[in-house]
Amino acid sequence: EVQVVESGGGLVKPGGSLRLSCEVSGLTFSDAWMTWVRQAPGKGLQWVGRMLSYRGGGTRHYATPLKGRFTISRDDPKNMVYLQMNSLQTEDTGVYYCVWINTPPHNLARWGRGTLVTVSS
Amino acid sequence: QSVLTQPPSVSAAPGQRVTISCSGSNSNIGNSYVSWYQQLPGSAPRLLIYDNNNRPSGIPDRFSVSKSGTSATLGITGLQTGDEADYYCGAWDSSLNSYVFGIGTKVTV
Repeated sequence: EVQVVESGGGLVKPGGSLRLSCEVSGLTFSDAWMTWVRQAPGKGLQWVGRMLSYRGGGTRHYATPLKGRFTISRDDPKNMVYLQMNSLQTEDTGVYYCVWINTPPHNLARWGRGTLVTVSS
Repeated sequence: QSVLTQPPSVSAAPGQRVTISCSGSNSNIGNSYVSWYQQLPGSAPRLLIYDNNNRPSGIPDRFSVSKSGTSATLGITGLQTGDEADYYCGAWDSSLNSYVFGIGTKVTV
C-alpha cells in the first residue's frame, strides 16, 4: 500500500522560508509523479505544483500565483519529495498535502495527512 | 474563483440520493479525466472515484460518476450520516498546465 508522510511544517515569519519534506513508500518511487496541494484554514483545496518522474522528463509545473517562490524537488534514492517555499506571506498559511499522482488517469490517488504551515509575525 | 464550478452545498435525508455537479471547459473536463475527492471533517482528502466509475479499494458502489462534455456529476445513493463531508471535483487543465479543483460541495445528511 502506498503511504505518504509529510513533515517540516511550523511557524515562520512573513518573508521567511521553509522546506517541507515528503516520504513515500509502497511503490517504485522513481516512477512516481508527485504533487503538493494546500488548504487554507476553512477554505478549499488549492493545487501548488507537481513534479514528474525523471523518466517522464522530470518536468515541474506550478500554480501561476506561486511561480518563482515555490520549488519542488525530489531525491529518488531516498524516496523523498520536497517543497521549498520562499518569501512566505500570511496567505500561505494552511495545511500542505503531499500527494501521489496515479497516471494515467492522472488522479491524486494517495494523500498524506498534511503538515501545517503558519506564517505569522 | 475556481476554474471548476460546484454548488457550495447540498443536503438530503438519510437513505436518499444527492447529486453534485461540476462544470468546466474543454481545457479541463472536456479533455481530461475527472476525479472526485472526499474530505471528512478533520481529515485529509482522499480519492473517492474517477473516470468511468473507478473506485479505490473500500469505496462502496453507492458513489457513482457521469460525464457529459464539459460537465461531470457525482451521485451518492443511500445517504448515510457518515457521508457528511466536503466533496471536490478535480481535473488537469491543459491551458493552465495546472490541476484545478472545484470550490468543494458540503454534503449534509
